[in-house]
Amino acid sequence: IAGITQAPTSQILAAGRRMTLRCTQDMRHNAMYWYRQDLGLGLRLIHYSNTAGTTGKGEVPDGYSVSRANTDDFPLTLASAVPSQTSVYFCASSAAQGYGYTFGSGTRLTVV
Amino acid sequence: AQTVTQSQPEMSVQEAETVTLSCTYDTSESDYYLFWYKQPPSRQMILVIRQEAYKQQNATENRFSVNFQKAAKSFSLKISDSQLGDAAMYFCAYRSAFDFGNEKLTFGTGTRLTIIP
Repeated sequence: IAGITQAPTSQILAAGRRMTLRCTQDMRHNAMYWYRQDLGLGLRLIHYSNTAGTTGKGEVPDGYSVSRANTDDFPLTLASAVPSQTSVYFCASSAAQGYGYTFGSGTRLTVV
Repeated sequence: AQTVTQSQPEMSVQEAETVTLSCTYDTSESDYYLFWYKQPPSRQMILVIRQEAYKQQNATENRFSVNFQKAAKSFSLKISDSQLGDAAMYFCAYRSAFDFGNEKLTFGTGTRLTIIP
């Protein structure tokens, strides 16, 4: 089934540890995104990539990094996790202008 | 920067009744897209309906319809004949039509809809 695969589904992480959230799509979409969802704040954009080889910062990029080595993969890395990064993280991709996103099923990350 | 406001954190409706979720947005752009997404307890984000700003006709998808008021910058979602499966968090989202190749969506904070049997 075409779509976006995120891994892991959930994770408990000790503060200060490094963590990479994985995101893979099989739809050949050019644009990919990482959002975090927090209660009362909705979804906020962390980083995005318009096409392979390019990335950009969103609304809340601090503490996160991304790479886009190919069209299909868009990993999100937390270099040194802090409790404020406890959240649900969504990866998404977009096929064409104005058609909204296809979302992954999310990763629930708890930093303790 | 564009902003999206959902002023109703929670709503409830009797099963089979109609409910309207409100959304307002702020933009200086003339062309854009608006979306409603549904997030059930499964956490999956599901596109409910999409509206193109240059189209005056309100979008409709089965029991879901929108009231798009461009001058008022309002984009409400009407759910008719509410069903238990409609219980979810609903997010309104905005996307500029001018960011070619960059589909960044700006989301509201969400409205949690409860269906009362």
